[in-house]
Amino acid sequence: DTGVSQNPRHKITKRGQNVTFRCDPISEHNRLYWYRQTLGQGPEFLTYFQNEAQLEKSRLLSDRFSAERPKGSFSTLEIQRTEQGDSAMYLCASSFSSGWNIQYFGAGTRLSVL
Amino acid sequence: TQLLEQSPQFLSIQEGENLTVYCNSSSVFSSLQWYRQEPGEGPVLLVTVVTGGEVKKLKRLTFQFGDARKDSSLHITAAQPGDTGLYLCAGAGRDDKIIFGKGTRLHILP
Repeated sequence: DTGVSQNPRHKITKRGQNVTFRCDPISEHNRLYWYRQTLGQGPEFLTYFQNEAQLEKSRLLSDRFSAERPKGSFSTLEIQRTEQGDSAMYLCASSFSSGWNIQYFGAGTRLSVL
Repeated sequence: TQLLEQSPQFLSIQEGENLTVYCNSSSVFSSLQWYRQEPGEGPVLLVTVVTGGEVKKLKRLTFQFGDARKDSSLHITAAQPGDTGLYLCAGAGRDDKIIFGKGTRLHILP
């Protein structure tokens, strides 16, 4: 088991560009979560999937953000027309819906929008 | 709205001292997790507590879940510089929603 994997680890982009992040969850986990974390704060929930279905989206997820999990395995998070306020750490976590739904996190993607 | 309040927000102590951080809510959680996060990395799971009054030990770390499953504490004995990091609690509440606290940033001075 390789744990939750996120790519890239770091992304620097110019304002207005589109970026896409990838998350590969723990293989037997059916739930996948995306969070955003700014410096000194706890993770803020963005959205989550159970298998390929996107079950919930936070109000934090503006129209410029879209997430997919087409085959119920890996997921992508795309941000269109990035803004400086999008600069943050984007964290992915996965869990198994049975039991205690304990989430395991990836190392995150650090986005810097210049 | 379910909220988890962590205190203190920041704590800086000398190596060898003991400390306790707290995680409080007015809501009941079915389980509660503690994570530790280092700069530039994702949170790493330390422990899950599920039963009211439960106490779990992980070397010098002692975790307790409140009897009413609304609060939890983390006690570190003889803190070491390697304990430095952001400690996050996360509760599983209604509809399997996971609520995170804002964290306690701990700095252990050598």
